[in-house]
Amino acid sequence: NAGVTQTPKFQVLKTGQSMTLQCAQDMNHNSMYWYRQDPGMGLRLIYYSASEGTTDKGEVPNGYNVSRLNKREFSLRLESAAPSQTSVYFCASRPSGEKLFFGSGTQLSVL
Amino acid sequence: EDKVVQSPLSLVVHEGDTVTLNCSYEVTNFRSLLWYKQEKKAPTFLFMLTSSGIEKKSGRLSSILDKKELFSILNITATQTGDSAVYLCAVESYSGGGADGLTFGKGTHLIIQP
Repeated sequence: NAGVTQTPKFQVLKTGQSMTLQCAQDMNHNSMYWYRQDPGMGLRLIYYSASEGTTDKGEVPNGYNVSRLNKREFSLRLESAAPSQTSVYFCASRPSGEKLFFGSGTQLSVL
Repeated sequence: EDKVVQSPLSLVVHEGDTVTLNCSYEVTNFRSLLWYKQEKKAPTFLFMLTSSGIEKKSGRLSSILDKKELFSILNITATQTGDSAVYLCAVESYSGGGADGLTFGKGTHLIIQP
């Protein structure tokens, strides 16, 4: 049972480049989330998805887009990366009202 | 806007000490409060609290929720160097929309010195 799988684990981009962070869960959870974590800032919600086909903005959505491709997969896209998007990104999923299960994180640097 | 405040933000103690970490919150429709431990990578789940006054325990860790005063504490007794981590508090509010919001605090960075 793999849980929540995120790829890639590390990525370096130049300003203006685009990329997609992939996330998949095999626990049949309805809800999926993308968080970013910066030093001293805790975890801040970027986007979330209550179910396949629905997405909603979180606290810090600017500069990001998401796709809930199916129940398993929830991707995060940076269309034009900026240095301010240098961060550690976590994908998470959970059944409604239960604990979050986290992926192992993606460390992204934008130069 | 939901708010979660953790204190202290950092704490250094000696092995064997007991520590108390605090989490206060302001949310519109409280559903639950969760504690996570984060070492080098992804946060790992510790406790989920929904009812006031009921202590949850796991070994040397325990936590309790006070819904009237809007806070929770996480206690760690007989601390060990392996307890060194960032401890995150998150509060879930019920929005009725399905993917209920979870708001995290900034975390308490706990360092246990041998």
